[in-house]
Amino acid sequence: EDKVVQSPLSLVVHEGDTVTLNCSYEVTNFRSLLWYKQEKKAPTFLFMLTSSGIEKKSGRLSSILDKKELSSILNITATQTGDSAIYLCAQNHGAGNMLTFGGGTRLMVKP
Amino acid sequence: NAGVTQTPKFQVLKTGQSMTLQCAQDMNHNSMYWYRQDPGMGLRLIYYSASEGTTDKGEVPNGYNVSRLNKREFSLRLESAAPSQTSVYFCASSKSGSGSYEQYFGPGTRLTVT
Repeated sequence: EDKVVQSPLSLVVHEGDTVTLNCSYEVTNFRSLLWYKQEKKAPTFLFMLTSSGIEKKSGRLSSILDKKELSSILNITATQTGDSAIYLCAQNHGAGNMLTFGGGTRLMVKP
Repeated sequence: NAGVTQTPKFQVLKTGQSMTLQCAQDMNHNSMYWYRQDPGMGLRLIYYSASEGTTDKGEVPNGYNVSRLNKREFSLRLESAAPSQTSVYFCASSKSGSGSYEQYFGPGTRLTVT
């Protein structure tokens, strides 16, 4: 069964810190790796990565995929309290555009 | 555009009762999905529908049935609820095709089975 593992499980930082969240996957039918942010309700889409080494960036958030290492990282610079959320990564592995999600990293940013 | 909508938002059931969770999307997506999310865990796929008229099992289908009523609507039914089905349920939709597409999620239904 395909497995997606995220680390750390949780993280507490102060505003202004930089954080790096990790995601590893093991799959034989990889199509893409996605990152979502989940606050109180539904996950909202952040990034989709398909090619190794190409950074995707949106404001203070960025992400990159390493297909050789079967991993991805999500970086958040100059964190703000509004970044507090659960960050989920998911791997798209083929038929039906199905996603397998990791367990998430819970980030808390203190003022 | 409402995106993906789900009803109800909250529900409490007794063991053995049945209910149907409703989901609709207005983005003209072909594919729809049902997930459950338990504390400390990511989302696990229950069932999905790659296109109108088709449904397939996901990772945790036992105890559930689904119906793809039309292109817009995808419902999830619990025939005889059990406490292990206490969870938050999310519906999602996406484009389909040979590419890889993000899924858009509804606001969720929080279900408690006592």
